[in-house]
Amino acid sequence: EVQLVESGGGLVKPGGSLRLSCAASGFSFSTFVMNWVRQAPGKGLEWVSSISSSATDIYYADSVKGRFTISRDNAKNSLYLQMHSLRAEDTAVYYCARPVDYDFYNGFVSWGQGALVTVSS
Amino acid sequence: SYVLTQPPSVSVAPGQTARIPCGGENIGSKSVHWYQQKPGQAPVLVVYEDSDRPSGIPERFSGSNSGNTATLTISRVEAGDEADYYCQVWDSSSDQCVFGTGTKVTVL
Repeated sequence: EVQLVESGGGLVKPGGSLRLSCAASGFSFSTFVMNWVRQAPGKGLEWVSSISSSATDIYYADSVKGRFTISRDNAKNSLYLQMHSLRAEDTAVYYCARPVDYDFYNGFVSWGQGALVTVSS
Repeated sequence: SYVLTQPPSVSVAPGQTARIPCGGENIGSKSVHWYQQKPGQAPVLVVYEDSDRPSGIPERFSGSNSGNTATLTISRVEAGDEADYYCQVWDSSSDQCVFGTGTKVTVL
């Protein structure tokens, strides 16, 4: 059974930093593109970032480019999101998600339970 | 950047058919995916690559995509289908994933 478990969420002050982790199990993690998607309270889904299986291709939403860094450790079956210069508008539930197939083009068939990040003074 | 537009809400009576449009420039040339999200839960993929269904998704959920509009169709709507629905594509011109604005489906 595919499992994705996010951790590392919490309350942080504006301008602060936070690192999210996503522990994956039940599939061959090292062969899949992985993604972060967020959802602000009462709002829609917003894609944050994607990383290829070997981390050679990395993409970001314009809203986080230059502040967030996605990475992965295939030996540990783990995905990360390092967030710097956090703003109130980054407040959201952050999900890690795995696609149906191995590339960037496919839908996200597996999702974690989400990690809440609250940016507030 | 690429934009996907959905109506904020769709209402449908039980047993009837709900159609949720997702508009985007030449979306017919892209692969469209659809998600169902109920309050407090993670999204669930209900249709991928325009019209394929993941295992466990009822045949009542179907999709189509042509021109500037993709459509998710829910046949024989049930009370349990009440949820928010989002379309999604990968925009290869910008190398970014894009979600639609979301549609709340209400079962009357």
